[in-house]
Amino acid sequence: QVQLVQSGAEVKKPGASMKVSCETSGYTFSDYYVHWLRQAPGQGLEWMGWINPASGGTFYGRKFRGRVTLTSDSSIGTAYLDLTDLRSDDTALYFCARDDWNHPFFDYWGQGTRVTVSS
Amino acid sequence: IQMTQSPSSLSAYVGDRVTITCRASQSIGTYLSWHQQKPGKAPKLLIYAASSLQSGVPSRFSGRGSGTDFTLTISSLQSEDSATYYCQQSYSHSSEYTFGQGTKLDIE
Repeated sequence: QVQLVQSGAEVKKPGASMKVSCETSGYTFSDYYVHWLRQAPGQGLEWMGWINPASGGTFYGRKFRGRVTLTSDSSIGTAYLDLTDLRSDDTALYFCARDDWNHPFFDYWGQGTRVTVSS
Repeated sequence: IQMTQSPSSLSAYVGDRVTITCRASQSIGTYLSWHQQKPGKAPKLLIYAASSLQSGVPSRFSGRGSGTDFTLTISSLQSEDSATYYCQQSYSHSSEYTFGQGTKLDIE
């Protein structure tokens, strides 16, 4: 069965960087885009960007450009989110989700990774 | 593309029929999905392509619309439908995906 399993919770200081992983299984990794989204406490869902594991191509939301890098390792079916220069308002639950070019709908999600940015 | 969802919250009873609306700031065809989220959990896809029911989702959930105006209807509320519902547009991989602000549904 399809699974996206994310790495564990992190606590970071302002100005630090974070790296969250999304380990996939149950499908061909290169056939689907992996998107990253986040949800601040008590807030709605915010899309951050995607990576196409087949090509390594990426597309980032304007708000995050310059601070976010998405990468993937097809040998282990894992996608990564790097976010630098963390601020307190980056405190959120971060999710990965998959879709594909012809069916651009998030049918499977990771369980979420809580990241807290605090001095 | 901005997504405007209403209402932001509503209360209803078991067995009621409820409808949530979502409006896009420009035409998105049927690149619209609806997700259900319970506290602390990942969202769950209910409806994709505006009106297609995701596998495993109860048939009391239905979606309609195209272009800029969309609705999600739950025909006969169950207690487990208490959750926050989000619409989301995915018009193009070359542009940002966006969500409505969410509708918190309480079952009384």
